[in-house]
Amino acid sequence: DSGVTQTPKHLITATGQRVTLRCSPRSGDLSVYWYQQSLDQGLQFLIQYYNGEERAKGNILERFSAQQFPDLHSELNLSSLELGDSALYFCASSVEGRANTGELFFGEGSRLTVL
Amino acid sequence: GNSVTQMEGPVTLSEEAFLTINCTYTATGYPSLFWYVQYPGEGLQLLLKATKADDKGSNKGFEATYRKETTSFHLEKGSVQVSDSAVYFCALKWRSGGSNYKLTFGKGTLLTVNP
Repeated sequence: DSGVTQTPKHLITATGQRVTLRCSPRSGDLSVYWYQQSLDQGLQFLIQYYNGEERAKGNILERFSAQQFPDLHSELNLSSLELGDSALYFCASSVEGRANTGELFFGEGSRLTVL
Repeated sequence: GNSVTQMEGPVTLSEEAFLTINCTYTATGYPSLFWYVQYPGEGLQLLLKATKADDKGSNKGFEATYRKETTSFHLEKGSVQVSDSAVYFCALKWRSGGSNYKLTFGKGTLLTVNP
């Protein structure tokens, strides 16, 4: 158990719809990362938040957005869904500053299926 | 840019065979290198790491040596077990500016070990 909790574990929805994925980081971790994993693209970094603020952006589509709340949990919002958005979405967390060893702690992922 | 390239899979071995998964990197500065493992149905978890040249990371019988002269971090295990069947990701941690770091993953290599 990594200590990172993601909900829901599975989600099936239709094209054009909007979904929200939720992540609770490990206790004490200020950074949250979102990754998309698909068979053809591998593991793609989407976005990172640190203590409520966006820190780094990766290959995140404009239809996607994220935020980190004061209690440090994070949500990834995916809208106008397309078939190609079907993937496993991972959240990860880490400590920052001098304690940062580079290790990310991953949740078990949310599997999104768009029909 | 900073990137990692790892051997494409899938890799299929018999139990007790020797394993090598190649990983090479391109980076400026002094990156840290990691191997993460993803067991079926789970999130990624750190397997081992090395933070400077000639460091050897090891865990659960797996080893990898940070070779700056060949920009490589190949993963090896002398005798694989069925329970080692998983996807293995090579990753690079590098400074993206100021005190910010980024973690870049390879595409992953699927290992299947048959009894």
